[in-house]
Amino acid sequence: DGGITQSPKYLFRKEGQNVTLSCEQNLNHDAMYWYRQDPGQGLRLIYYSQIVNDFQKGDIAEGYSVSREKKESFPLTVTSAQKNPTAFYLCASSINREVEQYFGPGTRLTVT
Amino acid sequence: GDSVTQMEGPVTLSEEAFLTINCTYTATGYPSLFWYVQYPGEGLQLLLKATKADDKGSNKGFEATYRKETTSFHLEKGSVQVSDSAVYFCALTFTAQKLVFGQGTRLTINP
Repeated sequence: DGGITQSPKYLFRKEGQNVTLSCEQNLNHDAMYWYRQDPGQGLRLIYYSQIVNDFQKGDIAEGYSVSREKKESFPLTVTSAQKNPTAFYLCASSINREVEQYFGPGTRLTVT
Repeated sequence: GDSVTQMEGPVTLSEEAFLTINCTYTATGYPSLFWYVQYPGEGLQLLLKATKADDKGSNKGFEATYRKETTSFHLEKGSVQVSDSAVYFCALTFTAQKLVFGQGTRLTINP
C-alpha cells in the first residue's frame, strides 16, 4: 500500500527542547511539504523540497529546520526558537510539476 | 497576494439536506482549485479539483464548478449523510509548490 506515514501521532515536549517529526512516503514522489494547522485556520506552508538535498522556505519557516537526504524522507525539526510550536503538523508529497498533493495523517505536537 | 475565503462555520444540517459551502478566491490569473476534506484526527484527503474555468469537479456525490466570472468554487451535495461530517478546505495553486488554503468550514450532519 502506497502512502505517507507520519510518526508519532501525538508528541509532547517541554518548552526549550528541539523535537523532530518524521515523514516518510513510498509513492516515489519527488516533492515533499510540511504544513502547520492551527485551530480555525487553514494550513500554512513551512518548508518544501522538490528534490533530494534541496529545500525552500515557505511562509512560516522561522523556528523550523528540515533535511532531505533521501527521496522518501523529509523530517521536520521544531526548534526552541519557534515561539508557538503547539499545533497539528501535516506532511504532503506530490509528483513534480503536478498540482495535486497527497497528505499524511499528521502529528499533533504539544509543547508545555 | 493570492487568497481563499470560505463561508464561516460551523455548518449543521440534517441528514439528506442539500449542502452548499461557499468558496471565493483572489488571484492574478487562473489557478487550479481544490476541495480537501479532513475527518476528525486525520490528514487531508483530496475531494475534487478543477484546473480551468468552467470545469466541474465531482467525487462521492460532491460537485464544484470553477466560475472565473465570480472567482468562485462552491462545494455542493444534493443529500448529505452523517459520514460527511468533517472539515472542508478550499484551496488554490498556480504551481505545484504552493497551495493556498481557506480557513476551513466545519460541517456536522445530524441523523
